[in-house]
Amino acid sequence: GAVVSQHPSRVICKSGTSVKIECRSLDFQATTMFWYRQFPKQSLMLMATSNEGSKATYEQGVEKDKFLINHASLTLSTLTVTSAHPEDSSFYICSASDSHNQPQHFGDGTRLSIL
Amino acid sequence: GENVEQHPSTLSVQEGDSAVIKCTYSDSASNYFPWYKQELGKGPQLIIDIRSNVGEKKDQRIAVTLNKTAKHFSLHITETQPEDSAVYFCAASPPWAGKSTFGDGTTLTVKP
Repeated sequence: GAVVSQHPSRVICKSGTSVKIECRSLDFQATTMFWYRQFPKQSLMLMATSNEGSKATYEQGVEKDKFLINHASLTLSTLTVTSAHPEDSSFYICSASDSHNQPQHFGDGTRLSIL
Repeated sequence: GENVEQHPSTLSVQEGDSAVIKCTYSDSASNYFPWYKQELGKGPQLIIDIRSNVGEKKDQRIAVTLNKTAKHFSLHITETQPEDSAVYFCAASPPWAGKSTFGDGTTLTVKP
């Protein structure tokens, strides 16, 4: 089956640090990747959608300068949380799809804790 | 845009009983409806999906039904087991959107 690998699984860092999270599709070409944020016991909040080689489309209220997304290849997308602060602490999850209206395959998430 | 409502938010059943989770959607153009299971500390995993050209799909103990007229779809789990305990999300995908809209999730607890 389709596998999406997300790293790191957990990050703890100081306020003001920038953190990069990687999302890789291991056995398929991901034309579209999605980045979500999930608070405890809450649903998935879509942050942005990225298509390979194009600029990401951010959801309303998500700061594009704060959450930098790069989707430079068909198997890799990165999310960089710039100058992270405690309020950015959350569970970030990526997913990937090889075409529209096909299943999204999710990574196992990254638990980000900003001290 | 698409709006998906999911009920109930929590569901507790006895092992061996059936569990049903229901979702409604707003955009009649939506034509793809996946269901995901999320275990604690992990990402969601696809468990079953259905497209708008069929009314029902079954995979062992799991089935999904779709009523396009009423714009609702349901997940049915039979003979529940403790390992079925997780958060379940439904989603709906309009062909124009390029993304799925997720429900708020249902926390299913199966008591042994």
